[in-house]
Amino acid sequence: AQSVSQHNHHVILSEAASLELGCNYSYGGTVNLFWYVQYPGQHLQLLLKYFSGDPLVKGIKGFEAEFIKSKFSFNLRKPSVQWSDTAEYFCAGLSGSARQLTFGSGTQLTVLP
Amino acid sequence: NAGVMQNPRHLVRRRGQEARLRCSPMKGHSHVYWYRQLPEEGLKFMVYLQKENIIDESGMPKERFSAEFPKEGPSILRIQQVVRGDSAAYFCASSPPGTGWSTEAFFGQGTRLTVV
Repeated sequence: AQSVSQHNHHVILSEAASLELGCNYSYGGTVNLFWYVQYPGQHLQLLLKYFSGDPLVKGIKGFEAEFIKSKFSFNLRKPSVQWSDTAEYFCAGLSGSARQLTFGSGTQLTVLP
Repeated sequence: NAGVMQNPRHLVRRRGQEARLRCSPMKGHSHVYWYRQLPEEGLKFMVYLQKENIIDESGMPKERFSAEFPKEGPSILRIQQVVRGDSAAYFCASSPPGTGWSTEAFFGQGTRLTVV
């Protein structure tokens, strides 16, 4: 079965610290992977996505993610976080045969000023 | 170009009542997806609809839940005889025809249903 897992449920960082949020997937075949962010009270926004090509994907707001096929991972990174990055982050995957995204359980990031 | 519009934003229902959640997709989008986010959990797929057709309802509970996307008007997620366990945030997403998630699908702000 398709699954996406995020093992960090809550991450607390100080401003300017570096961020890495883990995401692992279990899929066979073609894999499309996404990171979404949900600010308090708002809708999900797409940060970045991977479909093919360069495994290092650049997204909005200074985020990037690296697709490592051998590790079944798609970790989200940012070199220096800001207080405004406080939000919940969701990893999601789409297998080639599926019509819907499968989401991880989310990671709540709190950035302390 | 307005985004995906969901209303109401907050809905309170007593146990046994009906809840109707509405989703107006972005202009030009004919695919609608409904997701449910239970407290402390990620989003779970419920149903995928195109105009007048249910394409995939594998995530819908077998009873009390139904969805439609008529030719005219918004998509409706209907929950009959609500129970406390239905309390959750319900999100709608839409995408253009013929693309699905391969291009970007946009999410609405969600409807937070509270059953008292």
